[in-house]
Amino acid sequence: AQTVTQSQPEMSVQEAETVTLSCTYDTSENNYYLFWYKQPPSRQMILVIRQEAYKQQNATENRFSVNFQKAAKSFSLKISDSQLGDTAMYFCAFMIPPGGGADGLTFGKGTHLIIQP
Amino acid sequence: NAGVMQNPRHLVRRRGQEARLRCSPMKGHSHVYWYRQLPEEGLKFMVYLQKENIIDESGMPKERFSAEFPKEGPSILRIQQVVRGDSAAYFCASSPWTGTNEKLFFGSGTQLSVL
Repeated sequence: AQTVTQSQPEMSVQEAETVTLSCTYDTSENNYYLFWYKQPPSRQMILVIRQEAYKQQNATENRFSVNFQKAAKSFSLKISDSQLGDTAMYFCAFMIPPGGGADGLTFGKGTHLIIQP
Repeated sequence: NAGVMQNPRHLVRRRGQEARLRCSPMKGHSHVYWYRQLPEEGLKFMVYLQKENIIDESGMPKERFSAEFPKEGPSILRIQQVVRGDSAAYFCASSPWTGTNEKLFFGSGTQLSVL
């Protein structure tokens, strides 16, 4: 079974600062996907960024980037130039492609990120 | 193109009643996932359905819970004889194909409160 661990229940930074959210996972699979989702108070789950395990290059989406360390099973999210609208719960998630013996995403417990003005 | 629609947004039930949660996937999507989120927790997978088929229900409790995705109409998650422990946010996500299914689009969830 796959597990996803987010060791930071809550983080708080000043606006415009850079913040890194940590995520580790455990799996015996070689091919999989990793995700970061944002859940603001509206409760909507919003995909922030996605990484395929077979790609060595770290994914980047505007101010959001990841540091994917496959050997260490680590998948951290870096938010640059943080904005007040980044305040939300952030969930790290893992998925095995169909045929790998499991369906659906496995989520961590989340990190509550607070951006202070 | 409307997103994944879930209704109701909030549902209050007394212990022993039935709860029906609805999910209309995005247009053209034929795959639906249901997840449950308990307070202070991440989402937990419950069930994966295609039209008229349950593909994987390994995350769903064996008693009182059922799900369907008929040929026409929304997917329904049904909870019979609800108990206080069923209080949670229930999310639906849809996907357009089976190739990888890594592109999931989530609804805004239904918050179920059991009194």
